[in-house]
Amino acid sequence: AQSVTQLDSQVPVFEEAPVELRCNYSSSVSVYLFWYVQYPNQGLQLLLKYLSGSTLVKGINGFEAEFNKSQTSFHLRKPSVHISDTAEYFCAVSPSGANNLFFGTGTRLTVIP
Amino acid sequence: GAVVSQHPSRVICKSGTSVKIECRSLDFQATTMFWYRQFPKQSLMLMATSNEGSKATYEQGVEKDKFLINHASLTLSTLTVTSAHPEDSSFYICSARLRGPPYNEQFFGPGTRLTVL
Repeated sequence: AQSVTQLDSQVPVFEEAPVELRCNYSSSVSVYLFWYVQYPNQGLQLLLKYLSGSTLVKGINGFEAEFNKSQTSFHLRKPSVHISDTAEYFCAVSPSGANNLFFGTGTRLTVIP
Repeated sequence: GAVVSQHPSRVICKSGTSVKIECRSLDFQATTMFWYRQFPKQSLMLMATSNEGSKATYEQGVEKDKFLINHASLTLSTLTVTSAHPEDSSFYICSARLRGPPYNEQFFGPGTRLTVL
């Protein structure tokens, strides 16, 4: 079985400061890893994904994430946030070769002017 | 490319009525679509997997007769909430799977906000 833990439900950060949103997962099989962003009353937009290869993945809007197999983590980072980054961020895993996505409980990022 | 639409975006209905939500893949064919439910400030919970031309596969705890899913074509899946009650009020999101190596990515619709009075 797979599970995803996002320890921080809310992360406030000042504009232009760096941010890290944490994600840990557990799985008995190899997985693909994803970060999605959800703006109010909208669906999910893919930020980035890790399938294989380089453990540092770069996504849209200046975000990046690093896959750490030994720590079973896939933390999301951005060196300088903008007001427009205020949104809900979801980490998700999918067993390799399967269809299902398993989501974490989400982290609300609030960027303070 | 890979755009998924949902209609309506918002719906308000009276208790006891039925509501149909459409999910369309606009520029690709999707043999598989997924329906999720999201409560306020919570994560997405998979309700069912919809396969074109066959019966949907429901997750444990989801009432099949309550949430009717029809995947009539490769670009359209519908979710009908029958005899809706206030506790069915939620944000419903669909996704469509695009086949392709190395994995089958899901593209999400914008969601439908259902409010049952």
